[in-house]
Amino acid sequence: DSGVTQTPKHLITATGQRVTLRCSPRSGDLSVYWYQQSLDQGLQFLIQYYNGEERAKGNILERFSAQQFPDLHSELNLSSLELGDSALYFCASSSGLAGGPRYNEQFFGPGTRLTVL
Amino acid sequence: LAKTTQPISMDSYEGQEVNITCSHNNIATNDYITWYQQFPSQGPRFIIQGYKTKVTNEVASLFIPADRKSSTLSLPRVSLSDTAVYYCLVGSLHILTGGGNKLTFGTGTQLKVEL
Repeated sequence: DSGVTQTPKHLITATGQRVTLRCSPRSGDLSVYWYQQSLDQGLQFLIQYYNGEERAKGNILERFSAQQFPDLHSELNLSSLELGDSALYFCASSSGLAGGPRYNEQFFGPGTRLTVL
Repeated sequence: LAKTTQPISMDSYEGQEVNITCSHNNIATNDYITWYQQFPSQGPRFIIQGYKTKVTNEVASLFIPADRKSSTLSLPRVSLSDTAVYYCLVGSLHILTGGGNKLTFGTGTQLKVEL
Protein backbone atom coordinates (compact mmCIF):
# COMPACT_ATOMS: atom_id res chain seq x y z
CA ASP A 1 0.00 0.00 0.00
CA SER A 2 1.58 3.25 -1.19
CA GLY A 3 -0.51 5.48 1.04
CA VAL A 4 -2.01 7.25 -1.97
CA THR A 5 -5.73 6.74 -2.44
CA GLN A 6 -7.76 7.27 -5.58
CA THR A 7 -11.50 7.19 -6.10
CA PRO A 8 -13.39 5.80 -7.82
CA LYS A 9 -11.63 2.58 -8.86
CA HIS A 10 -13.71 2.19 -11.97
CA LEU A 11 -15.78 4.66 -13.92
CA ILE A 12 -17.93 3.98 -16.94
CA THR A 13 -19.49 6.88 -18.76
CA ALA A 14 -20.63 8.04 -22.17
CA THR A 15 -19.03 10.30 -24.74
CA GLY A 16 -19.61 13.98 -24.11
CA GLN A 17 -19.91 13.55 -20.36
CA ARG A 18 -17.80 15.05 -17.57
CA VAL A 19 -16.18 13.14 -14.71
CA THR A 20 -14.07 13.97 -11.68
CA LEU A 21 -11.29 11.76 -10.37
CA ARG A 22 -10.09 12.22 -6.83
CA CYS A 23 -6.72 11.65 -5.22
CA SER A 24 -5.48 11.87 -1.65
CA PRO A 25 -1.68 12.00 -1.42
CA ARG A 26 0.48 10.22 1.10
CA SER A 27 0.51 11.90 4.48
CA GLY A 28 3.03 14.72 4.46
CA ASP A 29 3.53 14.83 0.69
CA LEU A 30 2.94 18.22 -0.85
CA SER A 31 3.41 17.30 -4.53
CA VAL A 32 0.73 15.58 -6.56
CA TYR A 33 1.13 14.31 -10.11
CA TRP A 34 -1.46 13.03 -12.56
CA TYR A 35 -0.67 10.49 -15.28
CA GLN A 36 -2.65 8.85 -18.05
CA GLN A 37 -1.88 5.32 -19.21
CA SER A 38 -3.68 4.04 -22.27
CA LEU A 39 -3.57 0.47 -23.56
CA ASP A 40 -0.09 -0.31 -24.85
CA GLN A 41 1.08 3.18 -23.93
CA GLY A 42 3.55 4.30 -21.37
CA LEU A 43 2.70 6.70 -18.62
CA GLN A 44 1.94 10.15 -19.94
CA PHE A 45 2.49 12.95 -17.47
CA LEU A 46 -0.47 15.34 -17.32
CA ILE A 47 0.05 17.88 -14.57
CA GLN A 48 1.80 18.53 -11.25
CA TYR A 49 0.70 20.51 -8.21
CA TYR A 50 2.74 21.52 -5.21
CA ASN A 51 1.03 22.78 -2.07
CA GLY A 52 -1.96 24.01 -4.02
CA GLU A 53 -0.14 25.61 -6.92
CA GLU A 54 0.28 24.28 -10.42
CA ARG A 55 3.98 23.57 -11.00
CA ALA A 56 4.30 21.78 -14.30
CA LYS A 57 2.16 20.80 -17.25
CA GLY A 58 2.63 17.91 -19.57
CA ASN A 59 0.44 16.60 -22.35
CA ILE A 60 -2.81 17.63 -20.76
CA LEU A 61 -5.70 18.38 -23.08
CA GLU A 62 -7.66 21.63 -22.75
CA ARG A 63 -10.73 19.54 -21.92
CA PHE A 64 -8.92 18.35 -18.80
CA SER A 65 -8.24 20.40 -15.70
CA ALA A 66 -7.03 19.78 -12.20
CA GLN A 67 -6.66 21.44 -8.86
CA GLN A 68 -5.17 20.80 -5.45
CA PHE A 69 -7.13 21.85 -2.40
CA PRO A 70 -5.90 23.25 0.94
CA ASP A 71 -6.10 19.79 2.52
CA LEU A 72 -3.77 18.68 -0.34
CA HIS A 73 -6.15 16.31 -2.02
CA SER A 74 -6.42 16.76 -5.75
CA GLU A 75 -9.09 16.36 -8.39
CA LEU A 76 -8.73 15.77 -12.11
CA ASN A 77 -11.70 16.93 -14.17
CA LEU A 78 -12.24 15.43 -17.60
CA SER A 79 -14.94 16.96 -19.78
CA SER A 80 -16.44 16.41 -23.24
CA LEU A 81 -15.18 12.87 -22.99
CA GLU A 82 -14.18 10.98 -26.11
CA LEU A 83 -13.64 7.28 -26.70
CA GLY A 84 -9.89 7.88 -26.76
CA ASP A 85 -9.95 9.15 -23.20
CA SER A 86 -10.51 5.61 -21.97
CA ALA A 87 -7.44 4.83 -19.89
CA LEU A 88 -6.00 4.24 -16.47
CA TYR A 89 -5.46 7.50 -14.62
CA PHE A 90 -2.84 7.46 -11.91
CA CYS A 91 -2.15 9.95 -9.21
CA ALA A 92 1.24 10.02 -7.53
CA SER A 93 2.67 12.02 -4.69
CA SER A 94 6.11 12.94 -3.43
CA SER A 95 7.58 15.12 -0.75
CA GLY A 96 9.27 17.42 -3.25
CA LEU A 97 12.25 17.71 -0.95
CA ALA A 98 15.84 17.27 -2.00
CA GLY A 99 18.30 14.70 -0.75
CA GLY A 100 18.43 11.02 0.16
CA PRO A 101 18.62 7.78 -1.83
CA ARG A 102 14.88 7.85 -2.57
CA TYR A 103 14.69 11.54 -3.33
CA ASN A 104 12.94 11.04 -6.68
CA GLU A 105 10.48 8.50 -5.40
CA GLN A 106 6.92 9.02 -6.43
CA PHE A 107 4.24 7.01 -4.64
CA PHE A 108 1.54 5.92 -7.05
CA GLY A 109 -2.07 5.26 -6.21
CA PRO A 110 -3.99 2.21 -7.49
CA GLY A 111 -5.44 4.21 -10.38
CA THR A 112 -8.89 4.92 -11.73
CA ARG A 113 -9.92 2.96 -14.79
CA LEU A 114 -12.06 5.16 -17.00
CA THR A 115 -14.14 3.61 -19.75
CA VAL A 116 -15.89 5.91 -22.21
CA LEU A 117 -18.61 4.23 -24.25
CA LEU B 1 13.66 16.91 -22.22
CA ALA B 2 15.61 13.69 -21.82
CA LYS B 3 14.36 10.89 -24.04
CA THR B 4 14.88 7.34 -22.89
CA THR B 5 15.23 4.19 -24.97
CA GLN B 6 14.82 0.70 -23.54
CA PRO B 7 14.40 -2.76 -25.03
CA ILE B 8 10.75 -3.59 -25.47
CA SER B 9 10.99 -7.00 -23.87
CA MET B 10 13.36 -9.45 -22.20
CA ASP B 11 13.04 -13.10 -21.17
CA SER B 12 14.83 -14.80 -18.32
CA TYR B 13 14.68 -17.82 -16.03
CA GLU B 14 14.35 -18.02 -12.30
CA GLY B 15 17.62 -17.59 -10.44
CA GLN B 16 19.35 -15.67 -13.22
CA GLU B 17 20.64 -12.12 -13.09
CA VAL B 18 18.85 -9.71 -15.39
CA ASN B 19 20.34 -6.50 -16.72
CA ILE B 20 18.12 -3.92 -18.38
CA THR B 21 19.84 -1.03 -20.11
CA CYS B 22 18.38 2.40 -20.76
CA SER B 23 19.84 4.99 -23.12
CA HIS B 24 19.45 8.68 -22.34
CA ASN B 25 21.85 10.59 -24.55
CA ASN B 26 20.64 14.10 -23.70
CA ILE B 27 20.53 13.75 -19.93
CA ALA B 28 20.86 17.11 -18.17
CA THR B 29 23.25 17.96 -15.36
CA ASN B 30 20.52 18.05 -12.72
CA ASP B 31 18.80 14.87 -13.89
CA TYR B 32 18.67 11.72 -11.82
CA ILE B 33 17.99 8.24 -13.19
CA THR B 34 15.12 6.41 -11.54
CA TRP B 35 13.68 2.97 -12.21
CA TYR B 36 10.14 1.85 -11.56
CA GLN B 37 8.41 -1.54 -11.67
CA GLN B 38 4.79 -1.92 -12.74
CA PHE B 39 2.49 -4.91 -12.51
CA PRO B 40 -0.69 -5.08 -14.62
CA SER B 41 -3.43 -2.71 -13.42
CA GLN B 42 -1.26 -1.35 -10.62
CA GLY B 43 0.63 1.89 -10.16
CA PRO B 44 4.39 1.88 -10.72
CA ARG B 45 6.60 1.22 -7.75
CA PHE B 46 9.99 2.81 -7.10
CA ILE B 47 12.97 0.45 -7.37
CA ILE B 48 16.13 2.54 -7.26
CA GLN B 49 17.59 5.90 -8.18
CA GLY B 50 21.09 7.12 -8.96
CA TYR B 51 23.08 10.05 -10.25
CA LYS B 52 26.44 8.49 -11.13
CA THR B 53 28.58 5.36 -10.59
CA LYS B 54 26.90 2.49 -8.80
CA VAL B 55 24.01 2.35 -6.38
CA THR B 56 22.79 -0.76 -4.61
CA ASN B 57 19.80 -1.37 -2.39
CA GLU B 58 18.03 -4.43 -1.05
CA VAL B 59 16.41 -5.33 -4.37
CA ALA B 60 18.58 -4.04 -7.22
CA SER B 61 21.74 -2.34 -8.40
CA LEU B 62 22.04 0.58 -10.76
CA PHE B 63 25.16 1.13 -12.84
CA ILE B 64 25.77 4.53 -14.40
CA PRO B 65 28.91 5.19 -16.49
CA ALA B 66 30.87 8.40 -16.20
CA ASP B 67 29.20 10.04 -19.22
CA ARG B 68 25.74 9.20 -17.77
CA LYS B 69 24.31 8.62 -21.24
CA SER B 70 23.07 5.21 -20.27
CA SER B 71 22.24 3.22 -17.18
CA THR B 72 21.77 -0.46 -16.35
CA LEU B 73 19.33 -1.86 -13.85
CA SER B 74 20.55 -5.17 -12.46
CA LEU B 75 18.14 -7.59 -10.79
CA PRO B 76 19.95 -10.44 -9.03
CA ARG B 77 18.43 -13.93 -9.02
CA VAL B 78 15.03 -13.07 -10.49
CA SER B 79 11.92 -15.02 -9.60
CA LEU B 80 8.55 -15.45 -11.26
CA SER B 81 7.23 -12.53 -9.22
CA ASP B 82 9.66 -10.18 -10.97
CA THR B 83 7.67 -10.53 -14.19
CA ALA B 84 6.59 -6.94 -14.80
CA VAL B 85 7.25 -3.84 -16.87
CA TYR B 86 10.32 -1.84 -15.90
CA TYR B 87 10.55 1.87 -16.64
CA CYS B 88 13.63 4.05 -16.77
CA LEU B 89 12.92 7.66 -15.91
CA VAL B 90 15.29 10.58 -16.29
CA GLY B 91 14.64 13.84 -14.53
CA SER B 92 14.41 15.44 -11.15
CA LEU B 93 11.54 16.00 -8.78
CA HIS B 94 13.21 18.98 -7.18
CA ILE B 95 10.30 21.27 -6.53
CA LEU B 96 12.20 24.46 -7.20
CA THR B 97 12.82 23.38 -10.79
CA GLY B 98 9.23 22.22 -11.30
CA GLY B 99 10.54 18.82 -12.21
CA GLY B 100 7.26 17.25 -13.12
CA ASN B 101 7.22 18.34 -16.72
CA LYS B 102 10.51 16.58 -17.32
CA LEU B 103 9.24 13.27 -16.01
CA THR B 104 8.38 11.36 -19.13
CA PHE B 105 8.22 7.63 -18.75
CA GLY B 106 9.36 5.66 -21.76
CA THR B 107 7.55 2.65 -23.14
CA GLY B 108 9.26 0.39 -20.63
CA THR B 109 10.72 -3.12 -20.80
CA GLN B 110 8.45 -6.11 -20.34
CA LEU B 111 10.43 -8.68 -18.35
CA LYS B 112 9.14 -12.24 -18.42
CA VAL B 113 10.62 -14.73 -15.97
CA GLU B 114 10.02 -18.43 -16.50
CA LEU B 115 10.80 -21.55 -14.51
